[in-house]
Amino acid sequence: DTAVSQTPKYLVTQMGNDKSIKCEQNLGHDTMYWYKQDSKKFLKIMFSYNNKELIINETVPNRFSPKSPDKAHLNLHINSLELGDSAVYFCASSQPAGGAVQETQYFGPGTRLLVL
Amino acid sequence: GDSVTQMEGPVTLSEEAFLTINCTYTATGYPSLFWYVQYPGEGLQLLLKATKADDKGSNKGFEATYRKETTSFHLEKGSVQVSDSAVYFCALSDLYSSASKIIFGSGTRLSIRP
Repeated sequence: DTAVSQTPKYLVTQMGNDKSIKCEQNLGHDTMYWYKQDSKKFLKIMFSYNNKELIINETVPNRFSPKSPDKAHLNLHINSLELGDSAVYFCASSQPAGGAVQETQYFGPGTRLLVL
Repeated sequence: GDSVTQMEGPVTLSEEAFLTINCTYTATGYPSLFWYVQYPGEGLQLLLKATKADDKGSNKGFEATYRKETTSFHLEKGSVQVSDSAVYFCALSDLYSSASKIIFGSGTRLSIRP
């Protein structure tokens, strides 16, 4: 059983198009994340939601809009795609442990986006 | 701000060699430290973690010790296997400065020759 799943796995599209990536977790976690990994494998957080509420919003163009219909889902919609958006996008989830200990994040398999 | 610096790769070793991947960090509070591994074509998986100074995290023969005095969390393995070939990420989370946020290093690609 897949804990964190993403669809699609691969996405090839033209510049200027609008596309969505979906993420679902069946771990019962309250917090979900989107990360972007560039061609050099550098991984950077984009957004984090806790119980459908946005808690982290890094410096990301407003063409990127996350949506969390419920705490098990966090989708990423991208408007007016640009060449520089080509990357691997990872979804992750975690369950707050309380106190000063950071909980483990569980990652999805990634969505490889190529903008032509 | 908080940051993680790890040795640049790629690192290429022969099977059964000793592995060290260096990682140092800067943080304003008392971070938890992690090593994540990414196998080809897959997402990241937690390899090990340590939540306070002098803690040692270990898993699958890998170890790392949280050293506050040197702000380091070096990853070691005594005898690597071909199946260890992957990209390894050192990471920290400092709840006092950035709740729920993990900051990753740039990753170190490890290749093991049979």
